[in-house]
Formats: sequence, structure tokens, C-alpha cells
Amino acid sequence: KAGVTQTPRYLIKTRGQQVTLSCSPISGHRSVSWYQQTPGQGLQFLFEYFSETQRNKGNFPGRFSGRQFSNSRSEMNVSTLELGDSALYLCASSRRTGTLNTEAFFGQGTRLTVV
Amino acid sequence: QQQVKQSPQSLIVQKGGISIINCAYENTAFDYFPWYQQFPGKGPALLIAIRPDVSEKKEGRFTISFNKSAKQFSLHIMDSQPGDSATYFCAAPDGGSQGNLIFGKGTKLSVKP
Repeated sequence: KAGVTQTPRYLIKTRGQQVTLSCSPISGHRSVSWYQQTPGQGLQFLFEYFSETQRNKGNFPGRFSGRQFSNSRSEMNVSTLELGDSALYLCASSRRTGTLNTEAFFGQGTRLTVV
Repeated sequence: QQQVKQSPQSLIVQKGGISIINCAYENTAFDYFPWYQQFPGKGPALLIAIRPDVSEKKEGRFTISFNKSAKQFSLHIMDSQPGDSATYFCAAPDGGSQGNLIFGKGTKLSVKP
């Protein structure tokens, strides 16, 4: 069974640019969550998508957005990049349907560096 | 917003020793508390999780202890090995209706040979 796949693995962008990251969840998983990981702040929740709808959102500015497609694949977009956006962006997928928590499985992440 | 407080920030243990990491949460509508293990360059991997209809769950050398009244849970690694050297994260569902996982800030464990 393939795991969570995130592309690209590494990305270098310039301040002011925008970036799109991709996540393919485990087959059969309909929930995709995105997290930002930095040394100082740890893992911070960005948002969760389920059945193409954003179900929950963390405390991040509107420059961070996402979407989910009918095949459950998800993308997140960051516009007007700032130096502080440099981080490891992680995607997690889970089977969970309603509000019942089930195991979340992470991809290897996309390392974004903003210069 | 749910906060999960994890301690210690770093931990050095001799091979064969016991590693103990603690977490405390504020409020949650759901009882599901996982621990994740992360090696450098990798994403976090689910290590062990507890749904507190029990106060303790053991899988091999890893044990979660849960104290619902104190809103605390801990990870114990028995007979710690150098291969256990990694960063460990605890998580708890937030207090909202969706129960998204909120993570502690992590504990960097180093097991010395």
C-alpha cells in the first residue's frame, strides 16, 4: 500500500513569489491535513480538507490556501512568500469520516526555502 | 485553541535506560492521544496511540500512560536503544467539533551507546 506522497521534496523560492505544493493521500483516505513544521514552533495545523471541502483551519494568514480534488489529492498554495514561510510542509491523510479520529499518516514533507 | 505542552524539550539517556516524555492538554472533545516519532529528513510516523478507555497501552518497549483527571499522558521507552534517537511528538484533538490533532513542540531524544 503506497504511503502519502508529497511533491516536490525541496523547493527554493524568492520573496514575493507564490508556490503550490501537492499531496497524494493513501488510497481510500478522504481526509487530508496540512501542517507547517519549523524548529521554533513545532508542528502547526494549517487546514484540513475532506471530500473537497475545507473542514477546519488553523491560525494562518489568508496567503495560505488549499484545495482538494475529487480523487482526494490536495494542493496547498502560499502567495506572496515571506522569509518566515521557510519551513517543512507536511501533509497527513486519514480514513476518518465524521468526527471520529483515526490514525493520521504523514508524508515526507516538502522543504520550502524562501530567499 | 487547544494547547499541548510537552516536556522535556530534549533528553539524553544511556542505552538500556528508560526515556520518559510528558504531555499535558487543555480540553478535548475526543479521547485519542497519539505519539509520533520523527527521524531527520522524514515525516512523523505514528508510534503508538491510546483511546482512554484504558489508562495504559503497551506495544513492545513503548508504553503510553494516561491520566484523564489530570489531563496528562506520557510516553515511556523501556530499554532505550541508539536507534530510538529521534524527535517525539505527542498530540491531542483540539476542542472543536472536528478534533484535528494539535501537536506538542517535540522532544529530541538522544540515546548514548
